[in-house]
Amino acid sequence: EPEVTQTPSHQVTQMGQEVILRCVPISNHLYFYWYRQILGQKVEFLVSFYNNEISEKSEIFDDQFSVERPDGSNFTLKIRSTKLEDSAMYFCASSRWGANGYTFGSGTRLTVV
Amino acid sequence: AQSVTQLGSHVSVSEGALVLLRCNYSSSVPPYLFWYVQYPNQGLQLLLKYTSAATLVKGINGFEAEFKKSETSFHLTKPSAHMSDAAEYFCAVSPPYISNFGNEKLTFGTGTRLTIIP
Repeated sequence: EPEVTQTPSHQVTQMGQEVILRCVPISNHLYFYWYRQILGQKVEFLVSFYNNEISEKSEIFDDQFSVERPDGSNFTLKIRSTKLEDSAMYFCASSRWGANGYTFGSGTRLTVV
Repeated sequence: AQSVTQLGSHVSVSEGALVLLRCNYSSSVPPYLFWYVQYPNQGLQLLLKYTSAATLVKGINGFEAEFKKSETSFHLTKPSAHMSDAAEYFCAVSPPYISNFGNEKLTFGTGTRLTIIP
C-alpha cells in the first residue's frame, strides 16, 4: 500500500535555528498538507498546498513557516527561526481529492531546546 | 466553522467488553466525519469514514460508527475490546462538499485515550 514518508523521524534543534521537515507524498496525489500535534493536545491544521501554491493556511502558519515542493516529489516545511513552542509532532498528509482520501505520514517529532 | 467534541479524554474498558467512544459534531450541514487511531509513537491511521453514503460505517479492526443527524453524533463502537485496541482515538470533521478545488482540511477533536484492562 502506498505510504507518505517523512524524514527525519525525530529532530532536535536549538532555539532560533532553521529546520526543514521533509515529506514524500504518494506519487499520484495532488493535495498536500501539514498538521502538527503539540504533546498531549489535538492535531491542528497548518497548511494545504495544491498546484505549487498554498491553498489555505491557519493562524499558526505565520511568516516563520514556509512550504515548498522543490522537485516534484518532496514536500517540505521550513521553520525559519524555531521557538520552544514549535516543539511538536509534525504530520505530512497527501490526498488525491479532498478529505475523503487522506494518507498521513508517521510524523517528525521536533524538539526545540 | 466546523468542530467536533469528544466526550471523555480517557476511557477504560475491560478486555472483551464493549468499546464506546463519543464524538459530536457542529456543522450547519452534515459534514464528512472520520475516526483516526494513533498508536504510541506512530502516525494517524484511518479507522473509518462517513461521506454521505450509509449511516452505519464499518471500519478496520472490527470498529464501526453510526452517523446520527438528529443527535449530531458519530460515536465509535466495537463489540469486544482487545488489548491491541489500546491507543489514542481522534474524531475529525471536514466540509461535505468539494471546495477549494478538492482541498479540505480536517478539524480534529481533542482525542480519547483508550485503555484496555486485562
